[in-house]
This record gives sequence, C-alpha cells and structure tokens, in this order.
Amino acid sequence: KNEVEQSPQNLTAQEGEFITINCSYSVGISALHWLQQHPGGGIVSLFMLSSGKKKHGRLIATINIQEKHSSLHITASHPRDSAVYICAARPPGNEKLTFGTGTRLTIIP
Amino acid sequence: SQTIHQWPATLVQPVGSPLSLECTVEGTSNPNLYWYRQAAGRGLQLLFYSVGIGQISSEVPQNLSASRPQDRQFILSSKKLLLSDSGFYLCAWLSRGNYGYTFGSGTRLTVV
Repeated sequence: KNEVEQSPQNLTAQEGEFITINCSYSVGISALHWLQQHPGGGIVSLFMLSSGKKKHGRLIATINIQEKHSSLHITASHPRDSAVYICAARPPGNEKLTFGTGTRLTIIP
Repeated sequence: SQTIHQWPATLVQPVGSPLSLECTVEGTSNPNLYWYRQAAGRGLQLLFYSVGIGQISSEVPQNLSASRPQDRQFILSSKKLLLSDSGFYLCAWLSRGNYGYTFGSGTRLTVV
C-alpha cells in the first residue's frame, strides 16, 4: 500500500462542473503539497498545507490532520484545468516528499 | 521576483556520454534546492537536495551526481549515461511562503 493514495486516478468532467480530488496519507507530515502537472511536463505548486483550508482563485485545498486526508476542489472547471494533479506529503524534519500517483483530470468543453 | 531557470529543455544523448544539467534561481538567497526525476508514466522521484553551498544529500543510489558550486546554482551530472537515465528532470526550490515548491520548466532527457 502506498503511503500517499489519490483518488480517482482519472476523472473526466464537463466544463463548469465542481471537481474534487482526494488524497489520503499514512505518514506523519509537516506539510501536504498539491501540484499541477501540465501535458508538457511543467509542474506548478498549487498549495502547501499544514492545517485547515486554503483558497486560490477557483482552487480550494483542505486538510484534516486527524483523518490524514486532504482534498483539492476546483469550482467552475474549465478545459485549461486539464492536467495531472499530484499530492505529496512531507514528513517532519525530512526533505523527501512522498508523492501520490496523480489524478489525471480532463475537462470537456 | 523569485524565479528558477533550468536548461536545456530537451536533450538527446548517446549511452556512455556525460551529462550536465544546470539550474539557477533568482530573487532569493540560501534556498533549499532539489533535483527530481520522472520516468515515463511514473511519479516524481527525489534524486538530490541541497541546503547550502557544497552540501548535497543523495536520496537514491544511481549513476548521477549533483553539485552546488554557488548559492543559487545546482548542477546535475553524470560521467556516463545509461539508458535508464532517460526521463524528465526537474529542479525545484522550496519557498517558505504559501505555495511550497517552485519548479523549473524541466529537461526531457532521452538516452539512445
């Protein structure tokens, strides 16, 4: 069993739909990261969370430390949101991120 | 502003040839710097990280090495490339702000 599990692996939705991607982890963390990887390979860091909730534009990330679970939400999804979304856990005092396998999101116009 | 530069964008090298990928950051001092690799269809793997000049930590045994000759420069090298070294290499810098890591644009290396 992976230390960081994401679901779903693949998600296809219509433009405008509300999107939720889930991440569960079994390790202790100092931070949980959400990353976005576009088809060309470039990676953008979306959020770094240690508690609660963060919002950036149409993106919202939440984390429940007790349940070891984080979610990434996209409101009013758009085709340009199509990408692979990756969550990664960073253990305390450790530089090494443990990555989830990613969720491939496709938004259809 | 804080930026990270990585080059080249693509590289095709024969087996046994040397490698040097360079990453530089601007707009920050004493950053934590990272080299990641993503093999085809696989997730990201941390190769090296550095917390300062001359300080390199290696995460996996491999055919690669890293150096940090200057505060804002991080270099990934190999003396002799293997086919298994093919992949997408990303340099990253850890920001202490809200967004976490800043990634370079990546180098797609194909060893033939």
